[in-house]
Amino acid sequence: GESVGLHLPTLSVQEGDNSIINCAYSNSASDYFIWYKQESGKGPQFIIDIRSNMDKRQGQRVTVLLNKTVKHLSLQIAATQPGDSAVYFCAEPNQAGTALIFGKGTTLSVSS
Amino acid sequence: DGGITQSPKYLFRKEGQNVTLSCEQNLNHDAMYWYRQDPGQGLRLIYYSQIVNDFQKGDIAEGYSVSREKKESFPLTVTSAQKNPTAFYLCASGGRFNYGYTFGSGTRLTVV
Repeated sequence: GESVGLHLPTLSVQEGDNSIINCAYSNSASDYFIWYKQESGKGPQFIIDIRSNMDKRQGQRVTVLLNKTVKHLSLQIAATQPGDSAVYFCAEPNQAGTALIFGKGTTLSVSS
Repeated sequence: DGGITQSPKYLFRKEGQNVTLSCEQNLNHDAMYWYRQDPGQGLRLIYYSQIVNDFQKGDIAEGYSVSREKKESFPLTVTSAQKNPTAFYLCASGGRFNYGYTFGSGTRLTVV
């Protein structure tokens, strides 16, 4: 069925380290995934997306990797900064393609 | 500036009362969405609307109602039938089948 989840609820890193946030999905037919960042007290913001015909997509300091064999995707943040501290969600469209279904989120804490 | 506005930011409700949360967008987006966020639960879809005068139930629609009389507006009413309404409510908008949603800043509802 449709479900998008994350492996770990929290992740703590030092400033300058690389961060990896993981997400598992159950629907092998899923063909599109999206990552959002939510800062404290705010609404989520789009970070990056990826389609199933790609294994990797890069943005500015962020990379999303998709492994369709094990139904897993990850968000990598290079040189993590204190401003990266937030909750990160992976999401995918529901079966009808009419709305996004979100995972539970991973809270990233960056210490300097 | 184009954006999506939710009001009020904080709302307190007595048990047994209905309350309406406002969501207005000036992005000319066709689709609008309501999500509920509880600690550790991620975002759960309440209702969504892809076009004026039409809306669909999401995963947790019981105890909620919506209307979509104008493209710009998608108010959410939390009724007395909602057994556990205390939560953070997020409104989003986007193009039809475009998953790069723009989210509002949320309304935190507390039942007292």
